[in-house]
Amino acid sequence: SQQGEEDPQALSIQEGENATMNCSYKTSINNLQWYRQNSGRGLVHLILIRSNEREKHSGRLRVTLDTSKKSSSLLITASRAADTASYFCATDAGYSTLTFGKGTMLLVSP
Amino acid sequence: DGGITQSPKYLFRKEGQNVTLSCEQNLNHDAMYWYRQDPGQGLRLIYYSQIVNDFQKGDIAEGYSVSREKKESFPLTVTSAQKNPTAFYLCASTSWASGTGYNEQFFGPGTRLTVL
Repeated sequence: SQQGEEDPQALSIQEGENATMNCSYKTSINNLQWYRQNSGRGLVHLILIRSNEREKHSGRLRVTLDTSKKSSSLLITASRAADTASYFCATDAGYSTLTFGKGTMLLVSP
Repeated sequence: DGGITQSPKYLFRKEGQNVTLSCEQNLNHDAMYWYRQDPGQGLRLIYYSQIVNDFQKGDIAEGYSVSREKKESFPLTVTSAQKNPTAFYLCASTSWASGTGYNEQFFGPGTRLTVL
């Protein structure tokens, strides 16, 4: 069963703009992770935020986690054409497996 | 180079045939996973293994089989019982950290299987 649900399904922006993607989930988690997938490739891990953390930064990425609302957001600042990809959230509920959402497809136009 | 490899990149199979997808990692990770991805969809877990000679079914194990005879290798067999096997298959691995649990997963490049 898919626990994480990303919103929006697709997002189109211009280079230099910020991109925000949201993820909602249903059950308690140990951590939430964001991954990126270029077309036809494997996933690449971006950032992991634990249930006791509220915000985390990594370069141009900012992730927030609100466990009371069971939601997370991924912000990519000053986007570039190379950021074009699908972005997935995945939740770790402590069962040694991850549950992935369906992803947000981001298109950054030059 | 440390990493996780999958082969082949593209695979074509006739209906009724079994086919085995390879997954190898040299990251010394204990846990390995197989996912299936359909167009425009997220990843669904097929099988996973936390230790050699042991594995568990995921959400969509029917029609698939795995083995874990070596720590580095976790091959997936797509059997003729799988009714709709055409998909993108991804293998992943991860390590365990005492006190914090499993870390992030590292993914292979994927195998695209097409049934003719």
